[in-house]
Amino acid sequence: EDQVTQSPEALRLQEGESSSLNCSYTVSGLRGLFWYRQDPGKGPEFLFTLYSAGEEKEKERLKATLTKKESFLHITAPKPEDSATYLCATIIQGAQKLVFGQGTRLTINP
Amino acid sequence: DTGVSQNPRHKITKRGQNVTFRCDPISEHNRLYWYRQTLGQGPEFLTYFQNEAQLEKSRLLSDRFSAERPKGSFSTLEIQRTEQGDSAMYLCASNQGDTAYGYTFGSGTRLTVV
Repeated sequence: EDQVTQSPEALRLQEGESSSLNCSYTVSGLRGLFWYRQDPGKGPEFLFTLYSAGEEKEKERLKATLTKKESFLHITAPKPEDSATYLCATIIQGAQKLVFGQGTRLTINP
Repeated sequence: DTGVSQNPRHKITKRGQNVTFRCDPISEHNRLYWYRQTLGQGPEFLTYFQNEAQLEKSRLLSDRFSAERPKGSFSTLEIQRTEQGDSAMYLCASNQGDTAYGYTFGSGTRLTVV
């Protein structure tokens, strides 16, 4: 069965303290891996799609990378407004549905 | 078009009552998805439509759940004889074509069954 596991479940950082979130996946025939940001009481907001091992994408203080078994979301010099739950999800060949991990709840203290 | 719209935002219902949620996707998107999310978990897939055809349903979607997308535009998700375990956030998403742009999610409907 396709599985997506995120770690850690929760992460608390000081403003400016860089770190990485992990997303491990075991799926057959990965078509794409997605990162989303979710604020409390809101729907997930799309960040990135990665398609193949070695691919990287950046947006402001965030950089996502992909290997054959996992993806990382690197956060550089975070600010309090980066506090949110970060979700990763996979989609496999021939399918349309996303399979999500349980998310990492990130808190950035000023 | 301002994105995926879901109504109502919140719904409190008594156990055993029926509830219906509505989703209006981005107008040019032909695929529409329903997900359910409980506290501290990622969204779980329920069902998806391409235009008006319901193409996939999850095992999570018991016979108390039914979804429609008449004319391939808005969609409704109905839960009959609600149970306390149905309490969750129900999310709708839509997309079309290239997955590079992801799936656009609505803000969800928070259901509380008392």
